Parts: sequence; C-alpha cells; structure tokens
Amino acid sequence: ETGVTQSPTHLIKTRGQQVTLRCSSQSGHNTVSWYQQALGQGPQFIFQYYREEENGRGNFPPRFSGLQFPNYSSELNVNALELDDSALYLCASSLRSATRDTQYFGPGTRLTVL
Amino acid sequence: KQEVTQIPAALSVPEGENLVLNCSFTDSAIYNLQWFRQDPGKGLTSLLLIQSSQREQTSGRLNASLDKSSGRSTLYIAASQPGDSATYLCAVTGNQFYFGTGTSLTVIP
Repeated sequence: ETGVTQSPTHLIKTRGQQVTLRCSSQSGHNTVSWYQQALGQGPQFIFQYYREEENGRGNFPPRFSGLQFPNYSSELNVNALELDDSALYLCASSLRSATRDTQYFGPGTRLTVL
Repeated sequence: KQEVTQIPAALSVPEGENLVLNCSFTDSAIYNLQWFRQDPGKGLTSLLLIQSSQREQTSGRLNASLDKSSGRSTLYIAASQPGDSATYLCAVTGNQFYFGTGTSLTVIP
C-alpha cells in the first residue's frame, strides 16, 4: 500500500458530461501528478501540481483541468467527455518533484464513457 | 519528443528462470529512470529508481541497470516466481514522465 487513495473506483458517464476524480496524496508529499492509461498502453502524463500550482502539462486539451488543495489532495476534472476518454486514471504523489523523486501511485479510477 | 520502447511486449517463462526485460529511450537527457510493476486493473508499484548519475540499483531479486549514453535500461529478475507475473513498465523523466507500453510477464509454476 502506497498511502495514495483515489475515488471513485469506477465511474460510468455519457458523452458530453463532466467528471471529477479525486486523489489523496501520501502524507508529507506536496506534488501530485495525473496520468491517463488506455487499455494495453502505458500511462500518459496529463499534468503535475506542486504546492497548488500547475507545474508541467502533457499533450492534453484544456478540457482536462486540475486542482490541488492546501492539504495536497487533488482533483482531475474533465469536461465535455468523449468516448476516447475511457481509461484508467492514475494519480501519483511524490515528495517534491515527479521528475526527480520516486512516485507513489494510487489504485486508479476506471472511467467508462458511453 | 521522448519515446520509450519495451521489448518484448510479452514473455512467458517457467518458474525459477532468470530473465531480462529491456527498455530503450530516444533522448538521453533524462533525470532518472524508474521501473514499475502493474497488476491487472491496478495502479503502479515502484520497484527501482535509478538516478541519471547511477549505473544500477538492486532490490532483492531485482537488478536494474542504466546506460544513458546508449538509451537503454534492463531489469533483471532472478529466480522468477509465479507471484512475479504482472506487467512491468519503465518510465524516464525529463521535463515530464514518459512511460513505455510495458512487458507482460507470466511465470508458469
């Protein structure tokens, strides 16, 4: 167990809807990153938050947005859902930097868009 | 853009065999390389982290090496066990995290 939790575990939405996924970081970690993992693929980096500010973003459109709260928990919001957004969404926390420190992953949220 | 490739995509070995998983990357300007394990439908578990200045890391039956100049890393698993069956992912970090597509390992009892 990494101490990183995510909710909900599974979620079913329809195309065009909006969704919010949640992540609680491991204690003492102030950096959280979000990833999208399509079936049979490696995770794709969405963005990283460090001390409540976005600090790096992958090749995802603006309808993917996030927040990090003072307690370092985080949300991923996706607007105008598309069928291709169906994936496992993973969050990971690290001590300072996702690119320099070991990342600890949560179990993921499985999103299905119909 | 960094590209990470893992070969083979799938591997099946009898219990007790030693094995090597391969990871290659196109841009050698990385901060570190990390190996993960993922069980079906689950999150990732970090196995080993190698900083760019290091050549290898060891943890129990696992040994990972890094050759930054050639853009390669290997994960060596000694005396494989059925519990090692999982997908193994490598990830390199530059300005962001780049994952390979993984090697699916099955260890047959």
